[in-house]
Amino acid sequence: AQRVTQPEKLLSVFKGAPVELKCNYSYSGSPELFWYVQYSRQRLQLLLRHISRESIKGFTADLNKGETSFHLKKPFAQEEDSAMYYCALGRGSTLGRLYFGRGTQLTVWP
Amino acid sequence: GAGVSQSPSNKVTEKGKDVELRCDPISGHTALYWYRQSLGQGLEFLIYFQGNSAPDKSGLPSDRFSAERTGGSVSTLTIQRTQQEDSAVYLCASSSRTDYNSPLHFGNGTRLTVT
Repeated sequence: AQRVTQPEKLLSVFKGAPVELKCNYSYSGSPELFWYVQYSRQRLQLLLRHISRESIKGFTADLNKGETSFHLKKPFAQEEDSAMYYCALGRGSTLGRLYFGRGTQLTVWP
Repeated sequence: GAGVSQSPSNKVTEKGKDVELRCDPISGHTALYWYRQSLGQGLEFLIYFQGNSAPDKSGLPSDRFSAERTGGSVSTLTIQRTQQEDSAVYLCASSSRTDYNSPLHFGNGTRLTVT
């Protein structure tokens, strides 16, 4: 069963437009949620984690337990935001397997 | 300092041959993961090592796949009798902690092509 769903494989927006990358998860306990990003020819890296509640590169993500969602948002997209974005779910209180979604390829046009 | 190192970066092999992929985690990192990245499939979990605990092998797709971690450091993922569907980028990641406060640090991956 797919634990993390990212419904959009591809997402395109113009520079300066708002962007939202959707992520829904399936887990009845207290989830640990993350967004990882892979820029062209770079390694996959952590973008942000839900518990830190911080904004990284203008991106924020709010955990909505009622809707089991963790959407990634940015009010004004930049060309350098073009990348592959993965939502990831951790279960339990100790580090273990992380479940990744299939990823969303974001393209920001000039 | 050095990040997670994977070798080789590219591997082309004939169907039916065995391959070994190597991962050198960041020094001192106790947790080590192997994932497989296929087009359209996202990141597929393969195996997780944490310290001296028994590894979580629940993601290995068949008994042709195995992995070991020697001395709590270097890990080798072995695929026996490779098939074309094994073609993918194999990613290794390590983490310094046993909780979620430390992110996963990924390597550049090994691109495996089975012809």
